[in-house]
Amino acid sequence: GENVEQHPSTLSVQEGDSAVIKCTYSDSASNYFPWYKQELGKRPQLIIDIRSNVGEKKDQRIAVTLNKTAKHFSLHITETQPEDSAVYFCAAMNSGYSTLTFGKGTMLLVSP
Amino acid sequence: GAGVSQSPRYKVAKRGQDVALRCDPISGHVSLFWYQQALGQGPEFLTYFQNEAQLDKSGLPSDRFFAERPEGSVSTLKIQRTQQEDSAVYLCASSFETGGYEQYFGPGTRLTVT
Repeated sequence: GENVEQHPSTLSVQEGDSAVIKCTYSDSASNYFPWYKQELGKRPQLIIDIRSNVGEKKDQRIAVTLNKTAKHFSLHITETQPEDSAVYFCAAMNSGYSTLTFGKGTMLLVSP
Repeated sequence: GAGVSQSPRYKVAKRGQDVALRCDPISGHVSLFWYQQALGQGPEFLTYFQNEAQLDKSGLPSDRFFAERPEGSVSTLKIQRTQQEDSAVYLCASSFETGGYEQYFGPGTRLTVT
């Protein structure tokens, strides 16, 4: 089955800095890669996703890049703000199976 | 519109009791998923439905776990004879279709088995 590794487990940055979270996956057939933000005690919220037919996608301050050959994808957050503080999860899916395999999460702390 | 809702939000059960957790997906969403999230971990897949059909239950940890979606809308996850290791947040998600469509999560039910 699919295995997703996520690094780092914790990340502390100053407000205004950039943050990068990296994930690798094992199943070369995986073709859908979402990122979720989860605040303490809240539901995971989809913030951006990418499909395997593109290498990069951007939405305002967040972007995701995908390298299919190396089987890794990354989340980039620019101009971080304290409200970006949360746990971020990457996930991978083989659309033939429809189920998501999640990484273990990255706790991002943005200090004012 | 309304998002995915789950009830109860919190459940405390004594070891050995049976529990039932409910999920109301987004209206019109064909696919429904159940995940288990242990403290400090990412969600782990339990089972999924396409309409009323349970297409994959490979993630259910034991035969004490049972899920149903009889009319293709509301789903119930039942855990029989709860054990302490069942303590976790149970998340439900729904998506418009299968095959790489966005999954939207409910707030979860936090189950504590004492």
